[in-house]
Order: sequence, then structure tokens, then C-alpha cells
Amino acid sequence: DTEVTQTPKHLVMGMTNKKSLKCEQHMGHRAMYWYKQKAKKPPELMFVYSYEKLSINESVPSRFSPECPNSSLLNLHLHALQPEDSALYLCASSQLLEGNTIYFGEGSWLTVV
Amino acid sequence: AQSVSQHNHHVILSEAASLELGCNYSYGGTVNLFWYVQYPGQHLQLLLKYFSGDPLVKGIKGFEAEFIKSKFSFNLRKPSVQWSDTAEYFCAVNAVAAGNKLTFGGGTRVLVKP
Repeated sequence: DTEVTQTPKHLVMGMTNKKSLKCEQHMGHRAMYWYKQKAKKPPELMFVYSYEKLSINESVPSRFSPECPNSSLLNLHLHALQPEDSALYLCASSQLLEGNTIYFGEGSWLTVV
Repeated sequence: AQSVSQHNHHVILSEAASLELGCNYSYGGTVNLFWYVQYPGQHLQLLLKYFSGDPLVKGIKGFEAEFIKSKFSFNLRKPSVQWSDTAEYFCAVNAVAAGNKLTFGGGTRVLVKP
């Protein structure tokens, strides 16, 4: 079992809806990540938070808005999404020590209708 | 920029056969190397990792990988696969100078026939 917890596991939303994906870790990790994974493709990095500050934004459209309320929590706010945004959204965390091993949550399956 | 390539997109083999999945990366500096596995319908799990030291690393479930710096490779091996090894395998690289950015290869889908 992963120690990175994501909710909800499944989400269906309309293109005019506003929703949020949530992620939590209690491993004391100081970096948290959002990845997007389409079917049969590798995960693609979206955002990285280091010490609760946004450190990497991979040119993600503004309809995706990350938030890191504290070192254990990471949110991804969704607004005005498109059907092509349907994917598995993976949260991950890492210690920022040697090797920086990244541990992934189970993901949130998002369908935009 | 770093990039990762996995040579095989699909591999089909029978139980007890040996498995080797190729992974090459392009980056001239110091790297951390990982293999992740994603079983059907499940999350990404870390199989093994290499940071430094012995270039032959052993991971979970009988997997091992060898880092060959001169070839920029980090191939994954298992001497005898089981049906339960059916999964997608991702090689990933984190260039130390690139900070927290983990770059994945395209993945190899492995099907083990019973």
C-alpha cells in the first residue's frame, strides 16, 4: 500500500464545473508533485512543490491550479476543463535527500464530460 | 534536457523465461535511476533505484538492474518471470542538477503467459 493518499479515486465533472483533487502524505517528505498519466503513456510532470513553495510548473494550462496548504497536503483545483484533460492524476512525494526517491499515490481518475 | 528511452514497447514471454528490459538515458551529468512497475489497475510502485556505489542493484520481487555509465544504460532483469509479473514497467531518471524533475521512459508492457 502507498503512503500517499489521494481523494477522490474517481471524479466525473462537466466542463463548467469547479472541483479539486486532494493528496496527503505523512512521511515527512518536503517535496510533493502532481503528474498526469494518459492511458498507455508514462506519467508527465505537471507541478513540483519544494518546502511548500511551487518550484516547477511544466507550462500547465491555468485551468489547473495547484495549492500546497502545508507540508503534508497538496491540492489540484480544476476549473473549465476540457474532455482531453481526462486522465489519471497522480500525486507523489519525496524526501529531497540523496537520490530523491519519489513515491506515488494510487491516483485520481478524472473524466471530463 | 534529460530524456529516457525504453527499447521495447511490448514484450510477451512465458512463465520461467528470463526478462531483460532496456533503458537508455541522455544526460551527461550525475543521475539517479529508477525502475517503477504499474500492475493493471494499480499505482506506480518502486522496483529498485540506483544512486551510487555498486552498479548492480537488487530490488523487490527478484528484479535487478545494472547501471553501465559508459553506455548510459540501466537495464532491468529477472531470471525467471511469473504470471504475476504482467505489468507495465517504467524506467525513470532524475538528473541531480535538474532538481526534483523525474523523467520517465515510454514504458514497456510485459505480458507473461501462464
